[in-house]
Amino acid sequence: KAGVTQTPRYLIKTRGQQVTLSCSPISGHRSVSWYQQTPGQGLQFLFEYFSETQRNKGNFPGRFSGRQFSNSRSEMNVSTLELGDSALYLCASSWGQLGSLQETQYFGPGTRLLVL
Amino acid sequence: AQSVTQLDSQVPVFEEAPVELRCNYSSSVSVYLFWYVQYPNQGLQLLLKYLSGSTLVESINGFEAEFNKSQTSFHLRKPSVHISDTAEYFCAVSLIQGAQKLVFGQGTRLTINP
Repeated sequence: KAGVTQTPRYLIKTRGQQVTLSCSPISGHRSVSWYQQTPGQGLQFLFEYFSETQRNKGNFPGRFSGRQFSNSRSEMNVSTLELGDSALYLCASSWGQLGSLQETQYFGPGTRLLVL
Repeated sequence: AQSVTQLDSQVPVFEEAPVELRCNYSSSVSVYLFWYVQYPNQGLQLLLKYLSGSTLVESINGFEAEFNKSQTSFHLRKPSVHISDTAEYFCAVSLIQGAQKLVFGQGTRLTINP
């Protein structure tokens, strides 16, 4: 079974631009979560989608948004990029049926975003 | 709110030596506990998790962690490490009831010296 895939793997943008990252979950998984990893702040939860609906949200500004499609693939968008948005963005998928983290979350390799 | 503290940012050990990576958490409600491992240039992999039942949980590659409710700790141990264990290790918690999200510690970089 294929794992979680994220595209692109690397991205360079300039301040003020916007960016869209993509995540394809493991086949059959309906929950997709996004995390931001930076050296200073560590790993922080952005949001979770289940069946095309945002189910949970972290403490990030409105510039960070996401969506999920009917095939469970998810995209994350960051508008008006700032230097501090440079990070590794990880997505994770799970069945999501239980609505809790009793289920294992499987992480993708991440998209490394550099904002210049 | 929940928080996780990993007491050591870096732990250097010699190959075949034992290791303990320390993790303490803070939460006013019951939580699930996890250890994830991140190898260089890769995503996170679940190492082990505590949901309920026996307080000692084991992974397939020889790691174990013990949930200590009174000390709010979930330390990770391995009796004999291998070069391939070199990685960053993250302790995390999630609520049993409520928002399903992982709250991570800052990570511990484990370096194995030959």
